[in-house]
Amino acid sequence: QVQLVQSGAEVKKPGASVKVSCKASGYTLTSYGISWVRQAPGQGLEWMGWISAYSGNTHSAQKLQGRVTMTTDTSTSTAYMELRSLRSDDTAVYYCARLGVAGTRGYSYFDYWGQGTLVTVSS
Amino acid sequence: DIQMTQSPSSLSASVGDRVTFTCRASQSISSYLNWYQQKPGKAPKLLIYGASSLQSGVPSRFSGTGSGTDFTLTISSLQPEDFATYYCQQSHSPSITFGQGTRLEIK
Repeated sequence: QVQLVQSGAEVKKPGASVKVSCKASGYTLTSYGISWVRQAPGQGLEWMGWISAYSGNTHSAQKLQGRVTMTTDTSTSTAYMELRSLRSDDTAVYYCARLGVAGTRGYSYFDYWGQGTLVTVSS
Repeated sequence: DIQMTQSPSSLSASVGDRVTFTCRASQSISSYLNWYQQKPGKAPKLLIYGASSLQSGVPSRFSGTGSGTDFTLTISSLQPEDFATYYCQQSHSPSITFGQGTRLEIK
C-alpha cells in the first residue's frame, strides 16, 4: 500500500533552516510528483510547491521563492523540503502529498498524504 | 494566482441532512477542481477530483458538480463521521491554490 512517512517534529530559531523528509513506499517515486502543503495553527491549507521526482523540475509558490528548496533522492525513495530564513509565521504542520493524475484531460490531485511534520519557529 | 473562495465558512447540520458546499474560482478553471475532507489532527483526504469524479473508496453519498468558476460538493445524507472541514483546490494553474475551507459542525 502507498505510504508517505515524514520526519519528526522540529523546533527552530528565527533565521535558521529546516529540512523535512518524506519517505515513499508502495509505489515508484519517479512515477509521480510530490507536493508540499503547510497548515499554520488553526488555519487553512497553503500549497508550497511541487517537484517532479522523475526530472527534478520544481515549481514553488511565489511568496516562498528564494526560501524553499525541494529535492528527491530516488535511491532511498525520499523527498525533501528545506525552508530557510525561518520566521515565526512559518510555524505550521508541513505535509508532503503525492500528485496523482487521471483522465485524458490530466486532472491532478493529491491522493496520498504524509502524516505531517510540526515545525515550530520560536526564539 | 487563482483565488478560491468557499462559502459558507461554517455550517451546522444534523445527521441525515443533505448539505451543499460552494467553491468559486476567480477565473475559469474548467473542471480542474478537487475536494478534500480534513479532520482535526489528520492529513486531508481526497474526496472528489476533476470536479465530479469520486475517489476510490469514498462513499457514494459524496458528489461534486460544476465547471468554469462555480462548483459544489454535496453530501446526500450526513453521517456522524462526516463532521470535518472541507477544502476545494484548483489544479488548473501550475500555482495550486486552496479555498479557505468550510467547517461542518453538528447542530
